[in-house]
Amino acid sequence: QVQLQESGPGLVKPSQTLSLTCTVSGGSISSGSYYWNWIRQPAGKGLEWIGRIYTSGSTNYNPSLKSRVTISVDTSKNQFSLKLSSVTAADTAVYYCARDRVIGGFDYWGQGTLVTVSS
Amino acid sequence: DIVMTQSPDSLAVSLGERATINCKSSQSVLYSSNNKNNLAWYQQKPGQPPKLLIYWASTRESGVPDRFSGSGSGTDFTLTISSLQAEDVAVYYCQQYYTTPYSFGQGTKLEIK
Repeated sequence: QVQLQESGPGLVKPSQTLSLTCTVSGGSISSGSYYWNWIRQPAGKGLEWIGRIYTSGSTNYNPSLKSRVTISVDTSKNQFSLKLSSVTAADTAVYYCARDRVIGGFDYWGQGTLVTVSS
Repeated sequence: DIVMTQSPDSLAVSLGERATINCKSSQSVLYSSNNKNNLAWYQQKPGQPPKLLIYWASTRESGVPDRFSGSGSGTDFTLTISSLQAEDVAVYYCQQYYTTPYSFGQGTKLEIK
C-alpha cells in the first residue's frame, strides 16, 4: 500500500521560501508511470494544482505560480520536494502531495500539512 | 487554461434519495486518441484529503460503492449518488486531467435534508 507523507515547517515568514518534502513509502517512486504532484487548499476553499514531477526530472507547473515554484525529486530517498519563494499570506494553505497515473486521477494523497505565512 | 464549473454550490438531499452534481469544462476534455474523457471526481470529508471516486468520467475507482456513478462527455459531466447514505456527506470536486495546468471545480457541498 503506497503512502505519502508531507513534512516541513508549519510557519513561514512573508517573503521567505516555503519548503516541503513528500516521502513515499510502500513502493518505489521510480516504478511505474506516475507523476508526483503538489496541490494546495486554503482553509474553507477549493483545490489548486501547483505542479508535478516525473522521476526523470521533467516538471510541469501552474502558470499562476510558475515564477515562484520549484519541484524536485530525490529517488535515492524516495522523496520529492516543493519550494515556493517570496510567499505572502495568500500562500497560507494545507499543502498536499499526491500521485497521478497515466489513466488519470490522483489515487494516493498525503494527509496534508498546514503552512501558515505570518510574521 | 481549462476552467471547471460545478453546480450547484451546495445541495441537500434526503437519505435514500438521489443526488446529482454537475460539472462543466470550458473546453472539451475528450482525448480523441482513445475516446476517453479526462475527467475525475473526488469526495472530501472534513480534515481529510480528497478521495478519488471516478476517473475517465465514468469508471469507478476500486472499492468505491456502486451507488456512485459518473456520466457525460466533452464538456458536460454528472456525478450521481443513487441512494444517499449518511456517510456521503462531503464536498465533491470534479477535475480535468486533459492538459496541464490541471484544474478543479470549486466544489459542491452535499448535506442531508
